[in-house]
This record gives sequence, structure tokens and C-alpha cells, in this order.
Amino acid sequence: EIVLTQSPGSLSLSPGERATLSCRASQSVSSSYLAWYQQKPGQAPRLLIYGASSRATGIPDRFSGSGSGTDFTLTISRLGPEDFAVYYCQQSGRSPTFGGGTRVEIK
Amino acid sequence: EVQLVQSGADVKKPGESLRISCKGSGYSFTNYWITWVRQMPGKGLEWMGTIDPSDSYINYSPSFQGHVTISADKSITTAYLQWSSLKASDTAIYYCARLKDSRSYYCAFDIWGQGTMVTVSS
Repeated sequence: EIVLTQSPGSLSLSPGERATLSCRASQSVSSSYLAWYQQKPGQAPRLLIYGASSRATGIPDRFSGSGSGTDFTLTISRLGPEDFAVYYCQQSGRSPTFGGGTRVEIK
Repeated sequence: EVQLVQSGADVKKPGESLRISCKGSGYSFTNYWITWVRQMPGKGLEWMGTIDPSDSYINYSPSFQGHVTISADKSITTAYLQWSSLKASDTAIYYCARLKDSRSYYCAFDIWGQGTMVTVSS
């Protein structure tokens, strides 16, 4: 099983600031198979990024993904008030796994 | 509109059985696989298993195989998750989601149901 470790566990930032979230895999993951999701309280997860760097339909361009191999990053260039949430990375395949999540909180 | 609509919250006693549902609409149900994901209270996301609605082939997570049954009825574009004997530790929100690419495991989950809260308590 591929284990995904997200860091930091939580991030305290102000609106307008840049957020950088990390996802490290226990073994190499094809970039094509790495996704990021956003989850707000009481809501289902929402797909943000797939294929490591492609934005899903309707996702604003302040969200960007990068990385390869075992290290991947989700960057939110300027935090909007609606971006404070928990973010999960996920690798796909016959045995998909999720990271433990990073909570982005208002400072 | 492409959507997955799940059945409502349920409260059960330990040992009882339960089946929750996930109805797809707005797309060709048999062309996209459906997955189930568990979220225990205050915790992260766990993949449970994926079903191909066209032939009901199922790929279970080893962590959940034998504890739950996933099925689908393509005639009514609905997938199911069921338990024969619930435990208190099954208390969680359960989400169904669609795999983004037709007939492939190697893709993200692009459409999610709203979640079904299952509470198991004596």
C-alpha cells in the first residue's frame, strides 16, 4: 500500500496569503495518478486537481499543483475566505489511498 | 447535471443490517465506476472499494473486504453499500464517488455524493 504523508497537519494563515501544502508518498507515484481534494465542514470532498497539476472543472486558477515521484505540492496563491478548509491528496489505482489531510485555518 | 444522490442518515443498533444507496444521474451510469469512501468522526478519508456497474465486478480494500458488501443495479443506476451486522465502530459518514475516467482505476474521483451518516449505537 502506498502511504501518503501530508504536511503540515495544520496551517494558520491570513486571507490573501500564499498556502503551500505538501504530500509525500512512500514510493514513487505517477504524476497522472495524484489528485487533491478540498473538504469544508459538513460537505463532501471536492476535486481540485488531478494528474498532479490539472485543475478540475470550475476550480479557480489560484489553485495549482506540482510535483513528481514522491513529492507533490498544492499551492493556493492568494487565500480567499472560502479556501479555509481541509485538503487531502490521493493516489489512484487498484488500491487508492488518501493522505491524512492538512487543515488551513484563518489566522 | 451529473450527480450522485445518496440515501438519508440512519441510526441502527449493533448487530442490525443496513443498506445505503447512491443514485447516479446525468451520465452513462455503466461507463463510470463507483467507489465508496468512509470518513469516521473527525477523521480522514478511507477507500473501501470500487464497483464496475456494467458487470458488478468489485475491487475491495483489504481493510473492508468481508465486512461490507458493495453492489449495483444498473437498471436503476444505483450503487449500494451494505452491512449484515453493524458494529459501533461502523459509525461514520459514507460517501460514494464517481471515477473520473471511463472504465479506469487510474484517475481521480470527480463527482461525489452528499454523504450518508450512519450511527450505530445501543
